Amino acid sequence: GAGVSQSPRYKVAKRGQDVALRCDPISGHVSLFWYQQALGQGPEFLTYFQNEAQLDKSGLPSDRFFAERPEGSVSTLKIQRTQQEDSAVYLCASSPERLAGNEQFFGPGTRLTVL
Amino acid sequence: GDSVTQMEGPVTLSEEAFLTINCTYTATGYPSLFWYVQYPGEGLQLLLKATKADDKGSNKGFEATYRKETTSFHLEKGSVQVSDSAVYFCALSVTGNQFYFGTGTSLTVIP
Repeated sequence: GAGVSQSPRYKVAKRGQDVALRCDPISGHVSLFWYQQALGQGPEFLTYFQNEAQLDKSGLPSDRFFAERPEGSVSTLKIQRTQQEDSAVYLCASSPERLAGNEQFFGPGTRLTVL
Repeated sequence: GDSVTQMEGPVTLSEEAFLTINCTYTATGYPSLFWYVQYPGEGLQLLLKATKADDKGSNKGFEATYRKETTSFHLEKGSVQVSDSAVYFCALSVTGNQFYFGTGTSLTVIP
């Protein structure tokens, strides 16, 4: 596709369930980012990949959060034993390469609601 | 650490009014600065950017100038339209590893 796609667009989970969120970046983009956006807030960085290497995971809020990008293309963000505070929109973004001036292209997000 | 402080909203303006949304930043290096816009029901889109001091980014009638002396990147538009109603986010990036976003400013333009 022409842009970044994410699936599912909406996810409702019961507290304690595991969830997996998928991101398909723009073809050929080296850099991939995950952000968490709480209601009424700006996106907050979770983790960054350059190709298949996870170079920065400093924003992951706990060890229940895990991200992977095994072939340097599609990425999955997994949240284990979901809690209510995990409810947020999870955004994926990609960029041609890691340069500070490069635009990040964002997907539509996955809205996660934990009951 | 790196951060962005953005004018709080919501902001409500009449059509053709002048818009300013303030943004100031703190950065350990030499950041690139961005304004992103989120229209209702859509994802974040780049509105404009500036990569070094005194650069002016512009797009769709919006402008912002990278002011190193005041660490600011205020967004302006001379005459807003109803279609400009959206949430606007200021952001910075120093290394390209991540963006730091402000909390967003919701703009509503009424006819």
